Amino acid sequence: SAVISQKPSRDICQRGTSLTIQCQVDSQVTMMFWYRQQPGQSLTLIATANQGSEATYESGFVIDKFPISRPNLTFSTLTVSNMSPEDSSIYLCSVGSYEQYFGPGTRLTVT
Amino acid sequence: GQQLNQSPQSMFIQEGEDVSMNCTSSSIFNTWLWYKQDPGEGPVLLIALYKAGELTSNGRLTAQFGITRKDSFLNISASIPSDVGIYFCAGHLTYNQGGKLIFGQGTELSVKP
Repeated sequence: SAVISQKPSRDICQRGTSLTIQCQVDSQVTMMFWYRQQPGQSLTLIATANQGSEATYESGFVIDKFPISRPNLTFSTLTVSNMSPEDSSIYLCSVGSYEQYFGPGTRLTVT
Repeated sequence: GQQLNQSPQSMFIQEGEDVSMNCTSSSIFNTWLWYKQDPGEGPVLLIALYKAGELTSNGRLTAQFGITRKDSFLNISASIPSDVGIYFCAGHLTYNQGGKLIFGQGTELSVKP
């Protein structure tokens, strides 16, 4: 399985600011995904990050709030924009298709 | 949206006991995956299942893909303290050929030494 790293590992942010989360994979992968895990909850897919095209967002998630970049086959970023306390969650990237492997997550607290 | 119903929500067991948890859905799934998440970590893939009726083991873990393709179970035998964590089932719906994973709500396992 691929080795996936995320930066930052955690952050505490002020309401109204934005945070960009990076996901780096040690090998080229076609499919990358961004998930959100709210406190004490399960994982929910935010979007599929496609290399060379716009991300595909799931219902309830919009590009203005969660812009995603996928400049190459080993890297992606997720930005959480204009944050509110409700955005406090763990944000996880994953790679793979049928078997998905997850990064360690970014723990975001919005005050 | 599509849901996976995972049960039980939590389990408190004695070291050495066997554990069983399951996921059910009203929809048909193409694949079933079982993950374990430790505090402060991302989920780690334990077992992947691809065929209805498939029974797969990984050490003390055994999982099965239900015949109806609407359910799966995970068994852990002879539990040890490091089995503590949250276990998630996840799956791909038949029309998502790879891609989006639907996750269950998780089973939190506590093991008493």
